[in-house]
Amino acid sequence: GQNIDQPTEMTATEGAIVQINCTYQTSGFNGLFWYQQHAGEAPTFLSYNVLDGLEEKGRFSSFLSRSKGYSYLLLKELQMKDSASYLCAVRDMTGNTPLVFGKGTRLSVIA
Amino acid sequence: DTGVSQDPRHKITKRGQNVTFRCDPISEHNRLYWYRQTLGQGPEFLTYFQNEAQLEKSRLLSDRFSAERPKGSFSTLEIQRTEQGDSAMYLCASSSSGGQGLGVADTQYFGPGTRLTVL
Repeated sequence: GQNIDQPTEMTATEGAIVQINCTYQTSGFNGLFWYQQHAGEAPTFLSYNVLDGLEEKGRFSSFLSRSKGYSYLLLKELQMKDSASYLCAVRDMTGNTPLVFGKGTRLSVIA
Repeated sequence: DTGVSQDPRHKITKRGQNVTFRCDPISEHNRLYWYRQTLGQGPEFLTYFQNEAQLEKSRLLSDRFSAERPKGSFSTLEIQRTEQGDSAMYLCASSSSGGQGLGVADTQYFGPGTRLTVL
């Protein structure tokens, strides 16, 4: 089966750093994606990891450990506009397969 | 091309009616996906196309659902005899299998969605 777990909700303070964790159990693995989704809007692509390690992109970084089935998204210098849901998604096979999404983590950034 | 577009953005219908949604992918993308998302959940896969061929369908896609992509460009998703349980956001995404265009590693880019409410 396929299972992707992430915390339901998190709260962090403006200017701080927050780490959103994701664990996955899938029959195969061919990449992990993080998306941001504001309420009522479509998911927007943030990052992609297929090899172990850290990928940095501005204020956002994503880490992957394939042996542990674990990823995290790190958001630095939090801004109010970062309040959104963050979706972890796994592609579990090569080639033509859709993404399997977690339920998302709703992040609230407070002043 | 500014991204994936979907039409309509909102649809309210009565139970038992048929509805059809349209998705226009990013022009250089050959893959097109349909997902459904309900409140508090992540998107759930429904079906996807590579060019005009429908390659995979989820078990979520009952016989009342049908999708087409006749010329390998835009796609339509039709729901017949709608039920209240069909109320959801229907998301379309596109990607490129050849590493072309905007994406890397077949990254999927989503449209704004069609919010369906069945009364």
